[in-house]
Amino acid sequence: ETGVTQSPTHLIKTRGQQVTLRCSSQSGHNTVSWYQQALGQGPQFIFQYYREEENGRGNFPPRFSGLQFPNYSSELNVNALELDDSALYLCASSRGGTNQPQHFGDGTRLSIL
Amino acid sequence: QQPVQSPQAVILREGEDAVINCSSSKALYSVHWYRQKHGEAPVFLMILLKGGEQKGHEKISASFNEKKQQSSLYLTASQLSYSGTYFCGTEPPSGGATNKLIFGTGTLLAVQP
Repeated sequence: ETGVTQSPTHLIKTRGQQVTLRCSSQSGHNTVSWYQQALGQGPQFIFQYYREEENGRGNFPPRFSGLQFPNYSSELNVNALELDDSALYLCASSRGGTNQPQHFGDGTRLSIL
Repeated sequence: QQPVQSPQAVILREGEDAVINCSSSKALYSVHWYRQKHGEAPVFLMILLKGGEQKGHEKISASFNEKKQQSSLYLTASQLSYSGTYFCGTEPPSGGATNKLIFGTGTLLAVQP
């Protein structure tokens, strides 16, 4: 069983640029959630995708957007990068339905200069 | 609103027990527990549901007091591998479980030989 994989592992960008982060969900999982984790903090929910549709969003501005593809992999796009966007971005996949464990990828470390 | 965890940090010797608490100011549908080792992805430990059902780890137990909006994680006979940061993730009762978690402030656990 292949776990959740994220790419790239590290990324350095400058303010105002745009970035795309990618996530391959675990086999058999159709739900992907994205989280932002600042240093020393707990993960913060960005949004969730279920069967290619956005299924809920946290308190993040519209410049954070996403996609889910028919194979349930997902992308997180961030436009007009700001210094505060520097963080670890985690993707988690789960089976559909209620009360399912989330399986996290190792994350993408994004640094904004 | 972010759940508050206590203690913020705890140091144990191998074989000792620990309790980690998670408290929310809002009503809860479920509480999820994860452990994150430094530089790694969070790993699922347990889900606690309203009504007392639990899903998760064999060697770790937990409780969920719905009225007090609190959960506690019990680590008994700790091992070196238990070291890491523990996060609770809460879900409000807004129409059923959706896995859109609000993670707590985290508890750093260090187990020493």
